[in-house]
Amino acid sequence: RKEVEQDPGPFNVPEGATVAFNCTYSNSASQSFFWYRQDCRKEPKLLMSVYSSGNEDGRFTAQLNRASQYISLLIRDSKLSDSATYLCVVNKDNTDKLIFGTGTRLQVFP
Amino acid sequence: GAVVSQHPSWVICKSGTSVKIECRSLDFQATTMFWYRQFPKQSLMLMATSNEGSKATYEQGVEKDKFLINHASLTLSTLTVTSAHPEDSSFYICSARDLGSTGGFGNTIYFGEGSWLTVV
Repeated sequence: RKEVEQDPGPFNVPEGATVAFNCTYSNSASQSFFWYRQDCRKEPKLLMSVYSSGNEDGRFTAQLNRASQYISLLIRDSKLSDSATYLCVVNKDNTDKLIFGTGTRLQVFP
Repeated sequence: GAVVSQHPSWVICKSGTSVKIECRSLDFQATTMFWYRQFPKQSLMLMATSNEGSKATYEQGVEKDKFLINHASLTLSTLTVTSAHPEDSSFYICSARDLGSTGGFGNTIYFGEGSWLTVV
């Protein structure tokens, strides 16, 4: 079983749509959780950290369920510029090491 | 803000030769840096932890004699792919955490721009 699992997609959605991505992780010792965005052939960039209470940053909302070891990302009012691969990331055993999911590809079309 | 720089961005080498990739923290000191590898359509996989002044620690399945890591200063770690073969062609990327910065965990980890290695 992969340490971080995501649906690879692709998710093809029209502009303005709401789309949700899910992720599960296997390491119960993980303490830090993130969503990163990776554009084609580029380094990953932090989209947002994910907190137990849930958090929102503009059109993006992240949720964490520690009991189920489940993380989600909701994108509202999708823009063309949101097209990218979204990586679910957790830290390993409460260290600075990061474990990446394979990513979920999002394609927003006009 | 803090920046981590990698060099080279792109490199093509012949099979059997060695290639060195540099990772520098430009405005902070990093006692620990991390090296990842990403094959096409796959996730970033942690290869090793680079420790300043001591040996790197490698993840399971990563050959330490093939991927030599040197972290000789607080701002520079190098990854040398020795006797490279076409199957080593990949995107190599480093990260470092700025422990001197305030802010949450995620906001203090910085990635280099990555290095594309093609072995022909």
